[in-house]
Amino acid sequence: GAVVSQHPSWVICKSGTSVKIECRSLDFQATTMFWYRQFPKQSLMLMATSNEGSKATYEQGVEKDKFLINHASLTLSTLTVTSAHPEDSSFYICSARSGEGATGGEQFFGPGTRLTVL
Amino acid sequence: GEDVEQSLFLSVREGDSSVINCTYTDSSSTYLYWYKQEPGAGLQLLTYIFSNMDMKQDQRLTVLLNKKDKHLSLRIADTQTGDSAIYFCAEIPTTSGTYKYIFGTGTRLKVLA
Repeated sequence: GAVVSQHPSWVICKSGTSVKIECRSLDFQATTMFWYRQFPKQSLMLMATSNEGSKATYEQGVEKDKFLINHASLTLSTLTVTSAHPEDSSFYICSARSGEGATGGEQFFGPGTRLTVL
Repeated sequence: GEDVEQSLFLSVREGDSSVINCTYTDSSSTYLYWYKQEPGAGLQLLTYIFSNMDMKQDQRLTVLLNKKDKHLSLRIADTQTGDSAIYFCAEIPTTSGTYKYIFGTGTRLKVLA
């Protein structure tokens, strides 16, 4: 149980285009989904927290107009990188929390999406 | 500040025990977690410990918690080459009012055959 998928697993795009990444909780309903960015050999940096049906809460320094997050249902959240530039190239990971489970707070992570902007 | 620190690298021989340490800063965290990240993959939840426990054992994994010193460790017994990965500790400070993780910096474990 507690499987989270991401699609695509990797994407290459041209500078100036937009890219959408999907995050799905496959066997549970996610009350909250999180989007992270990870640079090589570094820890995860939280970008935003999204709750189903409400606007995402962005971390300080993250441009909400550039990284559009939509949490349309209890099993799907999308991250759209708009007008992508080479500096947006990174590994993007989502996670989902159901509020249930052993601790109530644990997050289950997707496999990540590697974005390369040319 | 909210800095969760880990040593960056650890190298052990196959069959030996590995001990990965983590120092966290927020004593309000009710649960502390250990995650494993293999190359190019997401994070896999390994285990967790409740803050009123000193130790938790789960097969080859032993978690020790020293709440006074805010020190958490993960011991992997009989380390195998498949254990080579990056290990992250994480806490959820309850004072934050959210369920946001504070991740450690990550420890890269290399297991030598």
